Amino acid sequence: EAQVTQNPRYLITVTGKKLTVTCSQNMNHEYMSWYRQDPGLGLRQIYYSMNVEVTDKGDVPEGYKVSRKEKRNFPLILESPSPNQTSLYFCASSLSSVNYEQYFGPGTRLTVT
Amino acid sequence: AQTVTQSQPEMSVQEAETVTLSCTYDTSESDYYLFWYKQPPSRQMILVIRQEAYKQQNATENRFSVNFQKAAKSFSLKISDSQLGDAAMYFCAYTTPSNQFYFGTGTSLTVIP
Repeated sequence: EAQVTQNPRYLITVTGKKLTVTCSQNMNHEYMSWYRQDPGLGLRQIYYSMNVEVTDKGDVPEGYKVSRKEKRNFPLILESPSPNQTSLYFCASSLSSVNYEQYFGPGTRLTVT
Repeated sequence: AQTVTQSQPEMSVQEAETVTLSCTYDTSESDYYLFWYKQPPSRQMILVIRQEAYKQQNATENRFSVNFQKAAKSFSLKISDSQLGDAAMYFCAYTTPSNQFYFGTGTSLTVIP
């Protein structure tokens, strides 16, 4: 089944404790992206990647890191999480660019206390 | 800055009736793509419809159609014969040639039986 998977689905952590949210797709997509969703703000793009070893900042990259060492994986790293990073996070992928349909993961609910 | 505006935080429609969700965007680009995504209570993001800016013809997908007014930078979504399963949050979105992706803040649609 073609899908985007994210782990964990739910995470509660404390300020400053490094964490990684994994994202994997099995569709051989070149484009991958991370978004955060907050009430009243919609989804905002954090980082995106056009291909392996190519990453670019989205609208809200501060406090986040990403890497794209393999085509299928695009982990999101919070090196020192803060409460303002409490949010719902989505990973997405598309065929070759963002102009095509994006397939979204199920979301990761992160709470930073 | 690229922005997408959805001025209707909430809308409601009677089952089997037609409803139109509004979206405007701000860009200086001439080549771009516009999307409507649906997010039901399951939180899964689902593509509803996609429009290429260079195409004058409005996109349609079954009961869903758009009214794309490029000069006015308007991209509204019309849902005909509304069904209970159409109840969801609807997000308008825009892509840039640099592959960034911008969402609006969403419109919550309620379908009344």
